[in-house]
This record gives sequence, C-alpha cells and structure tokens, in this order.
Amino acid sequence: AQKITQTQPGMFVQEKEAVTLDCTYDTSDQSYGLFWYKQPSSGEMIFLIYQGSYDEQNATEGRYSLNFQKARKSANLVISASQLGDSAMYFCAMRLSGGYNKLIFGAGTRLAVHP
Amino acid sequence: KAGVTQTPRYLIKTRGQQVTLSCSPISGHRSVSWYQQTPGQGLQFLFEYFSETQRNKGNFPGRFSGRQFSNSRSEMNVSTLELGDSALYLCASRRGGETQYFGPGTRLLVL
Repeated sequence: AQKITQTQPGMFVQEKEAVTLDCTYDTSDQSYGLFWYKQPSSGEMIFLIYQGSYDEQNATEGRYSLNFQKARKSANLVISASQLGDSAMYFCAMRLSGGYNKLIFGAGTRLAVHP
Repeated sequence: KAGVTQTPRYLIKTRGQQVTLSCSPISGHRSVSWYQQTPGQGLQFLFEYFSETQRNKGNFPGRFSGRQFSNSRSEMNVSTLELGDSALYLCASRRGGETQYFGPGTRLLVL
C-alpha cells in the first residue's frame, strides 16, 4: 500500500539550531516524487522542497535540505538555523507517477521553535 | 503573480444543506486538485481536474463532486452535508514540473 509515515507528532528546537523531521514512505513504484510542505496556523500549505526518486543528489532549497535514503525509503527534512517563523505543521507527501497530481500525505509533525 | 485563491474562506452550514466552494488557480495552471483536511483523517485527496476533465478521484462518496471551467477555475460541491464534512478544503494548482501550489483553503463548519 502507498503510505507516508511521520512518526514525530511534535518536535521542538531552539532558535538558530538545526532540526530533522522524519519521513518514511512505502511504495513499490520505481518512479515517484517526495515533497515537504509547511502549514502555518493560517492553513495555507507552503511548498518547501521536492525530491524525485531518480535524483541522485539530495535536494536543497535555502535553509531546507532533504536527506533522501532510497534503500531505507526515508526522506527526512533538515531545517538549518531554525527561526521563530518556522513554527508550524510540516507534512511529507508522495506523488506516484501513475497518480497524476494526487499527493499522499503523512500525518504531519508540529514544530515549535523556542527563543 | 497571484497565487491560488479560494472563496469563500469561511463557511457555516447546517446538516442537509449543500455547499459550493470555488478555486481559481495560478494563471496558466490547467490542473486543479482538491483535498480535505480533518483532525481525524488528515489530508485526503478528493479529485483532480485537467482541461475540464476529472482525471483522478479519491475515495469519497458521491455527495462530493466537482467541475472545472474553460478558464481552469474549479468548483467543488458537497450535497446533503453531514457533521463529518466539517473540514478545511484545500485547492492546489500545477502547470508543469512537479510542484503543486496550494490556496489558503476554505474552512467549512457543518452544524
């Protein structure tokens, strides 16, 4: 079954420190994409980073990087130099090649950044 | 460039009523997807439209329907509302590439 698992319901980090949010996925497809979205309390989903299953390099976008370990089926999000504005829900999602634009989401991790 | 817009932002309905939500994608985006977010079930895919055709559908009852217009704007309709339909309804659009961009959502409360 196609599934995304985020095992950390909540995390906290001190401002300016790095934090890793875990994500594991389950699919038998060879072609898929992995995404991370941020959802502040306002509700809007903000795209952070994308990793394709055939990408050999880990994706990076500013302070965000994706630690992609294909054999372990994990796609952890690393946020460096955390800021107070990073406090939000974070969702890992997967898109399968045959699923058009359908995203399968994990349950999310609530991140709190402390000053 | 304007983002995805959704109207209304908040809505209160009573059981048995029907509701229509609207989504305007980013200019040039032809694909629109809808998601339901609830505390219990999380984020679930409802359906996707591309060039006015539904090309993927999630596991929701027939009370949930949608359509897309020639200008790519999309509407979703929920008939005979139930308490469990209370949720944040999110719309996302995509042009090409991988990234889907989400709107701010419509918060629906069914009383």
